Amino acid sequence: SAVISQKPSRDICQRGTSLTIQCQVDSQVTMMFWYRQQPGQSLTLIATANQGSEATYESGFVIDKFPISRPNLTFSTLTVSNMSPEDSSIYLCSVTDSATNEKLFFGSGTQLSVL
Amino acid sequence: AQSVTQPDIHITVSEGASLELRCNYSYGATPYLFWYVQSPGQGLQLLLKYFSGDTLVQGIKGFEAEFKRSQSSFNLRKPSVHWSDAAEYFCAVGGAGSARQLTFGSGTQLTVLP
Repeated sequence: SAVISQKPSRDICQRGTSLTIQCQVDSQVTMMFWYRQQPGQSLTLIATANQGSEATYESGFVIDKFPISRPNLTFSTLTVSNMSPEDSSIYLCSVTDSATNEKLFFGSGTQLSVL
Repeated sequence: AQSVTQPDIHITVSEGASLELRCNYSYGATPYLFWYVQSPGQGLQLLLKYFSGDTLVQGIKGFEAEFKRSQSSFNLRKPSVHWSDAAEYFCAVGGAGSARQLTFGSGTQLTVLP
C-alpha cells in the first residue's frame, strides 16, 4: 500500500485568502484524487489530478476555485482559493493501488477552518 | 446513478459486544464494495473490499462483511468490539477498474462504551 503524506495537517485561514495543500506519495502512482469532507458529511470527489495535464473536475467544482497541480507521479497540490467559511472542511488526498486502480488509499487529511 | 445508504448515523455498543453496521447500495452493474474506517483526525483506512467470489469477506482488525445481492447490502460485522474500534465507518460502491467512480455513504459513527 502507498504511504501518503499530506500537509499541512490543519490550518486556520482568513476569508479571502488562499491555501495550498501538498500531497506526497512514497511511490509512483497513476491516479491521484482530491476529496472534500464537509463537517458531518461524507466524502465528495473534487477532481482527479492528472500528471502532465489539467485536472479533471467533478460537477460543482471549478479550476479557478480549486487549482490543482501534478508535476510528477508522486506529488500533487490542491489550492483552495479566495476562501470563505463554507470552505471549512477536511481535504483529503488519495491514490489508487497501482496494480488495479480500484482501491483507494488516503492521506491523513487537512483540516481547514476559515474565519 | 449509484448510491450508498448507511441508515445508522450513530451506533453505541459496549466493549466486547458484537457489532453490525448496515450498508445498502444501488448500482447498475456488478458492484465493487468497500468499507473504510476514519479515526479522529485521520484519513480513511481500507478495512475490506468485495469484488467477486466468496460473498463473506474478511478484513483487517477482525472485521468481516457479507455481500447479499438480493438485498443490495454489504453489512460490516465484528464479533467482539474493542475500545479502539471507536471511529467513523464509511461504505463505498464503485465499478470495475475505476476508483474515480467510488460513491461513499454518509458514514456511521461508532461509540464504544467501557
